[in-house]
Amino acid sequence: AQKITQTQPGMFVQEKEAVTLDCTYDTSDPSYGLFWYKQPSSGEMIFLIYQGSYDQQNATEGRYSLNFQKARKSANLVISASQLGDSAMYFCAMRGLIRTGANSKLTFGKGITLSVRP
Amino acid sequence: GAGVSQSPSNKVTEKGKDVELRCDPISGHTALYWYRQSLGQGLEFLIYFQGNSAPDKSGLPSDRFSAERTGGSVSTLTIQRTQQEDSAVYLCASSLGSGGKGTGELFFGEGSRLTVL
Repeated sequence: AQKITQTQPGMFVQEKEAVTLDCTYDTSDPSYGLFWYKQPSSGEMIFLIYQGSYDQQNATEGRYSLNFQKARKSANLVISASQLGDSAMYFCAMRGLIRTGANSKLTFGKGITLSVRP
Repeated sequence: GAGVSQSPSNKVTEKGKDVELRCDPISGHTALYWYRQSLGQGLEFLIYFQGNSAPDKSGLPSDRFSAERTGGSVSTLTIQRTQQEDSAVYLCASSLGSGGKGTGELFFGEGSRLTVL
């Protein structure tokens, strides 16, 4: 079983500054994947970034980077140079990677609300 | 279309009625998920289909909830004898089934908003 914990209250950041959104996880799977999704007020779920548990380097996608600390079981999302359009709810999620290659279900955290101030 | 399609986008029903929500996944995606999201809350896993394997129904909240996936494509989520607490947005997502080198990311539909009066 997997568990994702996102405990930060609503986060605020000034436009153009960087912000870190916290995520800790717990799993018994030896191999797993970690995801971040963004959900703006429109409700759509937008995939941002992925980190595999055996990836040697932290994942980066444009202004998004994932600060993966395996020993601490944390997978924090860092957004650099925040923009007004970054205001949204952010969800951390994970799944175990079964040996056969098939995916298991994706478990989500409760989310963090980010507001970017002009 | 190329994305995950859900219908209806909005459904208002009376307590006690049955409802069906439909999901048409991305062509070629073997994995299909249903999640529920109450207002301002996170995503609650309901059910997961992977190819021809038995579905993972561990998230269904009660026996009033059921889902099927016909021909490995379209899925229908059925809620019988709806209750007010069933009011939520029901999100469907699909992904490529095998991990491989890909992330197996989920592609979400726009959701079906259910309101039970």
